[in-house]
Amino acid sequence: EVQLVESGGGLVQPGGSLRLSCVASGFTFSDHYIDWFRQAPGKGLEWIGRSRDKAASFTADYAASVRGRFTFSRDDSKNSVYLQMNSLKTEDTAVYYCTRLASVGTFPDHWGQGTLVTVSS
Amino acid sequence: DIVMTQSPDSLAVSLGERATIKCKSSQSVLSSSKNKNYLAWYQHKPGQPPKLLISWASTRESGVPDRFSGSGSGTDFTLTISSLQAGDVAVYYCQQYYHTPRTFGQGTKVEVK
Repeated sequence: EVQLVESGGGLVQPGGSLRLSCVASGFTFSDHYIDWFRQAPGKGLEWIGRSRDKAASFTADYAASVRGRFTFSRDDSKNSVYLQMNSLKTEDTAVYYCTRLASVGTFPDHWGQGTLVTVSS
Repeated sequence: DIVMTQSPDSLAVSLGERATIKCKSSQSVLSSSKNKNYLAWYQHKPGQPPKLLISWASTRESGVPDRFSGSGSGTDFTLTISSLQAGDVAVYYCQQYYHTPRTFGQGTKVEVK
């Protein structure tokens, strides 16, 4: 069974940092890109970025709203992707989801349960 | 960025009746080389992650009831629930995966009348 489990969410002050983890199981992790999304309270779904696999040199893409503040890293030996979030703003408050892309350049076919990040003083 | 616009924002349908959700993209998401529409539909219930219902505009995912169907091409798409069940109450999103950044419609809330 494909599973993705996020962790690391919590309360952080504006300007602070947080690191989210996404641990995957049930599939060959190293063969898949991982996309991250978020949903702010009362809002819709927002794509925030992509972590590519070794074949794509572990490169990443970021949404304009987080570029320069958020960074993905990946450890295939641990079936994990990490999201380092710096210079957090109140508008970053959201549930953060990691997802598996079905194949390169396509859609998320499995989602984690999400982890809540609250940025507040 | 490709802007996705759904209509209506909310929809109340009687049990057993049809629910129809529209999704329009600001530019075509049809790949002429692959002849595929890069459009997915998701169901999102409170406290749960979104669930993939349909990919490639009309391909139903394994395990998704056949009362859910997707249609359309280019810039105009439709998700139809042929006979609404109580468990279908959710917010439904369309998403394009033709261009980065991936973008979603604003969501359509489906309720029971």
